[in-house]
Amino acid sequence: SQQGEEDPQALSIQEGENATMNCSYKTSINNLQWYRQNSGRGLVHLILIRSNEREKHSGRLRVTLDTSKKSSSLLITASRAADTASYFCATVPKGGSNYKLTFGKGTLLTVNP
Amino acid sequence: EAEVAQSPRYKITEKSQAVAFWCDPISGHATLYWYRQILGQGPELLVQFQDESVVDDSQLPKDRFSAERLKGVDSTLKIQPAELGDSAMYLCASSYLWGQETQYFGPGTRLLVL
Repeated sequence: SQQGEEDPQALSIQEGENATMNCSYKTSINNLQWYRQNSGRGLVHLILIRSNEREKHSGRLRVTLDTSKKSSSLLITASRAADTASYFCATVPKGGSNYKLTFGKGTLLTVNP
Repeated sequence: EAEVAQSPRYKITEKSQAVAFWCDPISGHATLYWYRQILGQGPELLVQFQDESVVDDSQLPKDRFSAERLKGVDSTLKIQPAELGDSAMYLCASSYLWGQETQYFGPGTRLLVL
């Protein structure tokens, strides 16, 4: 079963524009992670935000977390054609011991040159 | 930079045949994961190993799927017999320690069952 749900399912923008993707989840989390997947390839870890954090930055990426709304957003600034990929949020539940990641269905981002 | 290796990258098989996928995690990574990703969906965990022991295989269809990590290093995932619905990407990932949150993924094996 998939806990996270990304919105929108697909997003098409021009190079240089900002892209915002949202993720909603259902149960309390230990942390939330964002991964990128280029077409037909494996996933690459982008950023991790813990439940006691509200915002994190990494290069052109900005992630926010609102645990009261059970939601997160990923902002990619000044997008490039190379950012074209699927983006997934994944949650690690609070409690438990095996740090099981549960992925959403992803947002397909297309950046047009 | 160290990477997770998987082979084969692509596999076409007929239903009822047996298939096997291999994964070599990043050296020193104790935790290994196998995921299945259906087209248009996110990955779903099939099995998780800590060293050579299975930690979670609750989503593994045990009537046809098996996984092993005999020496706690590389791992094999087997399907026998394959069914049409098994067509998917099979991803392997590893992490350094039990509970380390970041997982490192291999390139995956794309399986097509005819």
